[in-house]
Amino acid sequence: NAGVTQTPKFQVLKTGQSMTLQCAQDMNHNSMYWYRQDPGMGLRLIYYSASEGTTDKGEVPNGYNVSRLNKREFSLRLESAAPSQTSVYFCASSAVSGTEAFFGQGTRLTVV
Amino acid sequence: GIQVEQSPPDLILQEGANSTLRCNFSDSVNNLQWFHQNPWGQLINLFYIPSGTKQNGRLSATTVATERYSLLYISSSQTTDSGVYFCAVSGFSMRFGAGTRLTVKP
Repeated sequence: NAGVTQTPKFQVLKTGQSMTLQCAQDMNHNSMYWYRQDPGMGLRLIYYSASEGTTDKGEVPNGYNVSRLNKREFSLRLESAAPSQTSVYFCASSAVSGTEAFFGQGTRLTVV
Repeated sequence: GIQVEQSPPDLILQEGANSTLRCNFSDSVNNLQWFHQNPWGQLINLFYIPSGTKQNGRLSATTVATERYSLLYISSSQTTDSGVYFCAVSGFSMRFGAGTRLTVKP
């Protein structure tokens, strides 16, 4: 039982490149989330998916897209990376929206 | 949106000391969680505590939802308690406070 698994753990991109961050959970949770954490700050919500087939914007959605591929998987895509997107990205899941959330180990992304 | 304020922002303790961390929030919430982010960046669930009091070893938490605050108590602190403690509240989605950075010195 791995919980929430993110790939990759580390990534360096050049400005303008694209990439997809992958997230999978094995807890049969309905809701999934993507957050970013910048130095010295708390986590900010990028996008969330309350249930399979739905996605909604969070606090900081600009420059990102998401796909809820199935109940287990929720991916985050950067179409044209910018240095301002250098951050640590966390995926999380919960049984339903607003209940106890569990986090992956994070992806450290650097855009140069 | 909901505002979440944590205090103090930084806390330095000697090993063995006790501490209280506070989380204030601006609106009624369905959920409140406390997390510990360790020096490796991992977010560890401490408490899921929308209301009431819970204890887990040296840690305990109390949420008074009607007064919109929660407290995290750490007793007999150890160096391994160092890191950042986050409070997060949610209605539909979760909003985090800025955290309390705790340093426990041997």
